[in-house]
Amino acid sequence: YVLTQPPSVSVAPGQTATFTCGGNNIARETVTWYQQKPGQAPVVVVFDDSDRPSGIPERFSGSNSENTATLTISRVEAGDEADYYCQVWDFGSDHPTFGGGTKLTVL
Amino acid sequence: QIVLKESGPTLVKPTQTLTLTCNFSGFSLTTSGAGVGWIRQPPGKALEWLALIYWDDDKRYSPSLKNRLTISRDTSKNEVGLTMTNVDPEDTGTYYCAHRRTGDLWFDPWGQGSLVTVSS
Repeated sequence: YVLTQPPSVSVAPGQTATFTCGGNNIARETVTWYQQKPGQAPVVVVFDDSDRPSGIPERFSGSNSENTATLTISRVEAGDEADYYCQVWDFGSDHPTFGGGTKLTVL
Repeated sequence: QIVLKESGPTLVKPTQTLTLTCNFSGFSLTTSGAGVGWIRQPPGKALEWLALIYWDDDKRYSPSLKNRLTISRDTSKNEVGLTMTNVDPEDTGTYYCAHRRTGDLWFDPWGQGSLVTVSS
């Protein structure tokens, strides 16, 4: 299963950043989004398509429809600058698949 | 609080075997459904899942690397190991171990990562 993410997204502070994750009928999958800041390990920011772990700001939201899952960051801050990865779980082989990641630049 | 920490060599020569250890705390790998996975990341590149071991010693491997990987566990030491044979410079990267809770379809949390360079 292949997940396709655009390599980069750029937004100004206070604006909305939108990250897409394309996959065949991805709406049938459960999508997780990770944030990875430079030099750090990935951290879950959205799980089960649209749920947020405790401690993740409400500015982070997720959705999943048809062939595209989306992570949205509202009111972007400089501290949101990071790489964002989507991930689904392949039940047939019982393993995760990661997208190629999108780098967020805050202008 | 769940914490994982990777350890192993920082430099390995081509064709050698890489052995990494993940020491964890805050959960038991004997708890039904629990798992620990290994994921790597070449410099500047994307995450790549490698292997996963479950509470019952069931194991999963990346199809592309299956022939080179062995994952193991030592429940008495709260450790999970990963060996990779016949390493190549393309195996250079940061290797992470991460926790999978029963029923979850993601890894959380992750260890800090262990940077491994393959070079002669």
